[in-house]
Amino acid sequence: DGGITQSPKYLFRKEGQNVTLSCEQNLNHDAMYWYRQDPGQGLRLIYYSQIVNDFQKGDIAEGYSVSREKKESFPLTVTSAQKNPTAFYLCASSNRQGATVTYEQYFGPGTRLTVT
Amino acid sequence: GESVGLHLPTLSVQEGDNSIINCAYSNSASDYFIWYKQESGKGPQFIIDIRSNMDKRQGQRVTVLLNKTVKHLSLQIAATQPGDSAVYFCAENTGRRALTFGSGTRLQVQP
Repeated sequence: DGGITQSPKYLFRKEGQNVTLSCEQNLNHDAMYWYRQDPGQGLRLIYYSQIVNDFQKGDIAEGYSVSREKKESFPLTVTSAQKNPTAFYLCASSNRQGATVTYEQYFGPGTRLTVT
Repeated sequence: GESVGLHLPTLSVQEGDNSIINCAYSNSASDYFIWYKQESGKGPQFIIDIRSNMDKRQGQRVTVLLNKTVKHLSLQIAATQPGDSAVYFCAENTGRRALTFGSGTRLQVQP
């Protein structure tokens, strides 16, 4: 059963703690992405990775970190430096984006993080 | 799950009617566009895409129209059903190898 998995679905943390969100895909996609979604908002790009061991900052990377040690996995760490971490976090993957060709992104079910 | 569309513009249609959801995109150099559907508490699902060398593309019950002159994208859903109720996002490729998403429109289908 191919797809993208994110775990857990709901996550609760105390302010000041770092937390790592999991994202795994078995679609053999090269590219992976992390987005943040707040109520009434669209998706905002945090980080993306086109290939293993390489990643780029998106529009709102401050307070977040990522790693891409394996093709299948792209974990996101929400650090204590992120001022408003409570949000819905979505992971996506796609075939590698070429210079002139863009492929659709497939999304996971999301993780809702609540920090109090 | 919680709604992700608490303050979004809302389009309300009767079941069986056609729906038209509009999107203004930002970058005249964008060459690829996608429409996604997102149900409450879930990840977005691909509906249809279109490249900038086209002005219309049809899928099953859906049509996407692209007007590059005014940077406008629309999604038409024929014979709208209750299961179509969701938030719809357009997204564009602005050239940085990642998509930029619009703020979304909530579609409510009245039975």
